[in-house]
Amino acid sequence: EDQVTQSPEALRLQEGESSSLNCSYTVSGLRGLFWYRQDPGKGPEFLFTLYSAGEEKEKERLKATLTKKESFLHITAPKPEDSATYLCAVQAGDSSASKIIFGSGTRLSIRP
Amino acid sequence: ETGVTQSPTHLIKTRGQQVTLRCSSQSGHNTVSWYQQALGQGPQFIFQYYREEENGRGNFPPRFSGLQFPNYSSELNVNALELDDSALYLCASSLYGNTIYFGEGSWLTVV
Repeated sequence: EDQVTQSPEALRLQEGESSSLNCSYTVSGLRGLFWYRQDPGKGPEFLFTLYSAGEEKEKERLKATLTKKESFLHITAPKPEDSATYLCAVQAGDSSASKIIFGSGTRLSIRP
Repeated sequence: ETGVTQSPTHLIKTRGQQVTLRCSSQSGHNTVSWYQQALGQGPQFIFQYYREEENGRGNFPPRFSGLQFPNYSSELNVNALELDDSALYLCASSLYGNTIYFGEGSWLTVV
């Protein structure tokens, strides 16, 4: 069964304290892996798409990496405004009937 | 701002009623999908539409149905509402089902 698991469920960091969020997945026919940021009461905001193992993408203090079984979202020297829920999702199946499966997210809190 | 707009933003319905949620896709996108997100959970895939046809569906009963119009806007209809249908309903658009961009969602409360 296709599955996406994120860990930890919640993470509290001090401002400037770097860390990583994990997303492990088991799907057949991976087409892409996505990271989103979601603020309370808002829709998810797109961050990154990764397509193949070894791929890396960066945006400001965030860096996403992909292996054959998991993805990491590294956050370097975070600021309080980085506090949000970070969602990982995988796209599986062929183009005619693809579906996107989300994990439950990691709630990140950055203390000043 | 993604350009995906949803309406209404909030609504309250009674158990057994029917609801219609609306979505306008981002300009240039031809695929629309709908998700249900309960509090503290990740979005759950309901279905996807491409060229006005449903081309993917998650584990939701038939009382969840949808439409895509020629201008790529979309509707989500839910019949016979149940208390567990209370959630944030998210619309997302994409080009040929690739990276999806979400709207801000419609909060549905069933009482």
